[in-house]
Amino acid sequence: ETGVTQSPTHLIKTRGQQVTLRCSSQSGHNTVSWYQQALGQGPQFIFQYYREEENGRGNFPPRFSGLQFPNYSSELNVNALELDDSALYLCASSPRGLAYNEQFFGPGTRLTVL
Amino acid sequence: AQSVSQHNHHVILSEAASLELGCNYSYGGTVNLFWYVQYPGQHLQLLLKYFSGDPLVKGIKGFEAEFIKSKFSFNLRKPSVQWSDTAEYFCAVNGKKTSYDKVIFGPGTSLSVIP
Repeated sequence: ETGVTQSPTHLIKTRGQQVTLRCSSQSGHNTVSWYQQALGQGPQFIFQYYREEENGRGNFPPRFSGLQFPNYSSELNVNALELDDSALYLCASSPRGLAYNEQFFGPGTRLTVL
Repeated sequence: AQSVSQHNHHVILSEAASLELGCNYSYGGTVNLFWYVQYPGQHLQLLLKYFSGDPLVKGIKGFEAEFIKSKFSFNLRKPSVQWSDTAEYFCAVNGKKTSYDKVIFGPGTSLSVIP
């Protein structure tokens, strides 16, 4: 069983640029959630995708957007990067429809904005 | 407001000492509760979870947690820690009746175990 994978591992961008992060969900999982983890803090929920549609969103501005593809992989796009966007971005997948909502996390993408 | 607080930012213990990490949550409605661990250089892993039933739940690597509904708490315990338990520990909650699986994490407790 393949776990959640994310790419790239590390990324350096400058303010104002745009970035795309990618996530492949665990086999059999059709729901993908994205989290931002700033240094020394817990992960903060950005949004979730289910069946290719956004299915819930946290307190993040519209310049954070995403996509989910038919194979359940997902992208996180961030436009007009700001210094505070520097963080570890985590993707988590889960099997919708089960009685409980356990999420399985990928290793993350470390984004540095200069 | 939905939130999770963790009592300690950083805990330092000697090997074989007992561990208890405090967690309190604020959430309207019935909840699922989790403890996740992040070992150095590794991704978040689930230690244990509470969904219903026995409020004392056992997880991997000898960890256990007790859900006390009246105190909105879900403290993590281990009777004897090892050096390999050095990691960041996150308490988390989500709602049983939410339409999506938003998980709210606490700020984390960094545990350092000294050999």
